[in-house]
This record gives sequence, C-alpha cells and structure tokens, in this order.
Amino acid sequence: EVQLLESGGGLVQPGGSLRLSCAASGFTFVTFSMSWVRQAPGKGLEWVSTISGGGDTTYYADSVKGHFAISRDNSKNTLYLQMNSLRAEDTAVYYCARGGGTMILGWFDPWGQGTLVTVSS
Amino acid sequence: QSALTQPASVSGSPGQSITISCTGTNSDVGVYNYVSWYQQHPGKAPKLMLYDVSNRPSGVSNRFSGSKSGNTASLTISGLQAEDEADYYCSSYTTSNTPHVVFGGGTKLTVL
Repeated sequence: EVQLLESGGGLVQPGGSLRLSCAASGFTFVTFSMSWVRQAPGKGLEWVSTISGGGDTTYYADSVKGHFAISRDNSKNTLYLQMNSLRAEDTAVYYCARGGGTMILGWFDPWGQGTLVTVSS
Repeated sequence: QSALTQPASVSGSPGQSITISCTGTNSDVGVYNYVSWYQQHPGKAPKLMLYDVSNRPSGVSNRFSGSKSGNTASLTISGLQAEDEADYYCSSYTTSNTPHVVFGGGTKLTVL
C-alpha cells in the first residue's frame, strides 16, 4: 500500500524557519516525482513545489521561490521542504503528493494526510 | 500564476447529474490535456478523481467523467449520491511564464 506521512509542522514566528518531511513507502520512490501542495485555512489548494525522481529538476510557485527549497533523499525514501523567512501567508496545511504520469509536473496521487504550519507571533 | 476559474458552488438532487466547469487559458487547459480533478471531503486530504482530462484512476466510480472544449474542462458526476458532497478542484499543467501547476479555486458540491 502506498503511504505518505508528513511531519515537521508546527507554530513558528514570522521570519523563522521550518523543515517538513514526507516519509514514503509502498512504491519505488526514486521513479516518481514528488510535490508539496498547501491549503490555507478555509481556502483552496495551492501548488508549492515539485521535484523530479532523481532530484535534479525542481519547480516552485512564484509565491515561495527564493524562500522555500524542495529536496529528497532517495536512500531514505523521504521528501523535504525547507521553509525560510516564513510569513503569515504561509500558514496552511502542507500536503505531500506523489506525481503521476510521464511528466515531472503531472497529476498528484496519492496525497499524505497533511501537516499544519502556523506562522504567528 | 493565476488560478483556473471554477464556480464557487453547484448543487443537485440524488440521482441527478451535475457538471463543474474549469476555465483556463491558452497556456494551460487550452493547449494541454493535462487536466486533473480532485475531491476533498472536510478535514480530509484530496483524492484524485480524473487525470489527463478524462481518465479515471482504479477504484474511482464510472459516475465521474471528464471532458474538455477549448479553454474549459468539465467534470460531470452522474447519478449523484450523498457521498459525492465535497469540494472539487481542477488542476492543469501550464507554461505561463515558467512550467508549473495551477489549481482552480474549488467548487463546493451540495447534494440536496
């Protein structure tokens, strides 16, 4: 069974940093692109970032470019999101999701249960 | 990076059919068949319902179907059931500015 388990969320002050992790199991991790998608409280889904299976290609939403960094450790089947210079508008549930299709930027299936990041003083 | 346009809400009675539209541009929906649809129940993670416009993943009911015309993709749910009540989001690959993914604002489906 494919499983994605996020961790690392919590309360952080504006300007602070946080690193999210997503532990994957049940599939050959290195053969799939992986993504982060977030959802602010009461709002819709927002794509954040995607990384190729080998980790050599990354894409970012304009809203996080320059202050978030996606990475992966294929030896540990784990995806990461390093979030720096956090702002109130980064408050959201962060989901990791496995990529689908032959493209790096394909569909998302399945999704983890999400981890909540709250940026507040 | 502009979002795709979806109606805020739609509703229907059990057994009826409803359609949710998703309007993009000629940088995304209009030129690529990489539209996907997600269902999200309150407090739950999204679930993939359709990919590449009209393909259903294993396990998704054939009551869910998709299509595309020009810059607008559509999700149709036939034989509405109470369990279909949820938020639905469309998504597309886009090359507007740089390659990325864009979501619609979401549509709340109410089963009357």
